[in-house]
Amino acid sequence: AQSVAQPEDQVNVAEGNPLTVKCTYSVSGNPYLFWYVQYPNRGLQFLLKYITGDNLVKGSYGFEAEFNKSQTSFHLKKPSALVSDSALYFCAVRSSNSGNTPLVFGKGTRLSVIA
Amino acid sequence: GAVVSQHPSWVICKSGTSVKIECRSLDFQATTMFWYRQFPKQSLMLMATSNEGSKATYEQGVEKDKFLINHASLTLSTLTVTSAHPEDSSFYICSARDPLPQETQYFGPGTRLLVL
Repeated sequence: AQSVAQPEDQVNVAEGNPLTVKCTYSVSGNPYLFWYVQYPNRGLQFLLKYITGDNLVKGSYGFEAEFNKSQTSFHLKKPSALVSDSALYFCAVRSSNSGNTPLVFGKGTRLSVIA
Repeated sequence: GAVVSQHPSWVICKSGTSVKIECRSLDFQATTMFWYRQFPKQSLMLMATSNEGSKATYEQGVEKDKFLINHASLTLSTLTVTSAHPEDSSFYICSARDPLPQETQYFGPGTRLLVL
């Protein structure tokens, strides 16, 4: 079975400071990993993904994430947070050999960037 | 990134009526689409997987006769909430999987349904 854990319900960070939103996963086979962001009353926006290749993945709005196979983690990071980054962030996973199965989502982490 | 549209963005209806929500992939052909439901301050709950030209696969606990899904073309899937009741009030989000590149799932903006 596939699963995603986002251990923090809420992350608070000061504007200009680096931010990290944690994600660990469990999947059989090789993982496809994704990060999405959701603003209030909106759908999910795709930020970045890891499929294969370099462990450090760069995505939209200056975000990046590092795939760590030994720790089964895919933490989202940004060097300098903006107030506009405040939103709900979801990590998601599916197995590379799972056919048409949908993504499995974590419960989400609310990021609050304080000016 | 790819664009998925959803219509309407919000709807208010009386109890007992049916509501249809459309989901379109605008710049790619999606053989697979997904319908999710999201309660306030919670994660997405998968309702069903919709495959073009075949019956949808519903998740356990989701009533297929209440939530009718039709994936008539490679760019359109519809969700009809039949005989809606107040407990069906929620935020419904569709998603389409772009087969290229590497099967990224893109999401619509969501439809907020309020049943009075």
